[in-house]
Amino acid sequence: QKEVEQNSGPLSVPEGAIASLNCTYSDRGSQSFFWYRQYSGKSPELIMSIYSNGDKEDGRFTAQLNKASQYVSLLIRDSQPSDSATYLCAVLSNTPLVFGKGTRLSVIA
Amino acid sequence: DTAVSQTPKYLVTQMGNDKSIKCEQNLGHDTMYWYKQDSKKFLKIMFSYNNKELIINETVPNRFSPKSPDKAHLNLHINSLELGDSAVYFCASSPEGVEQYFGPGTRLTVT
Repeated sequence: QKEVEQNSGPLSVPEGAIASLNCTYSDRGSQSFFWYRQYSGKSPELIMSIYSNGDKEDGRFTAQLNKASQYVSLLIRDSQPSDSATYLCAVLSNTPLVFGKGTRLSVIA
Repeated sequence: DTAVSQTPKYLVTQMGNDKSIKCEQNLGHDTMYWYKQDSKKFLKIMFSYNNKELIINETVPNRFSPKSPDKAHLNLHINSLELGDSAVYFCASSPEGVEQYFGPGTRLTVT
């Protein structure tokens, strides 16, 4: 069974700090990796996708992928209270997309 | 607005009833999905349709039946509702079966 593991948190960081969210996956053949943000009572929103090893930056967000270690992470720089949400890691091998259980991030002003 | 929309947003019903949830996307995507998110926030795929054809049917009771009248619509019908069906149901669409875009969700409560 394909699995995606995340620390459920909550992860608390002070405003302005770097938040680091981690995810591991079991299927070595996985090809595509995504981070979704879900505010309480809302739907998941795609914030980052990454397909090859290394870093991908988009504004304050950086996704990092290490396929050899089966590890993907999301860094949020200059964390803001508005970043407080649950972050879902999702991994695609053939089909379907498999989600982790999410990490709850709390940014404290 | 271009989006994935679902109706209704909230659905409260009694055990044993039959209910439907509707989903429409105007993003021009070929693939649509139904997901269930339980009380522990675990998001799990139920069905996937590509151009009106069922391509994924995860382990879901056959009380759940998806129907896709065209590639912009994917409805979910649930027969004989049970307490354990209470959850948030999300519709999603995808242009190439990769990145997925979610609707606002339908919160189903079975009493």
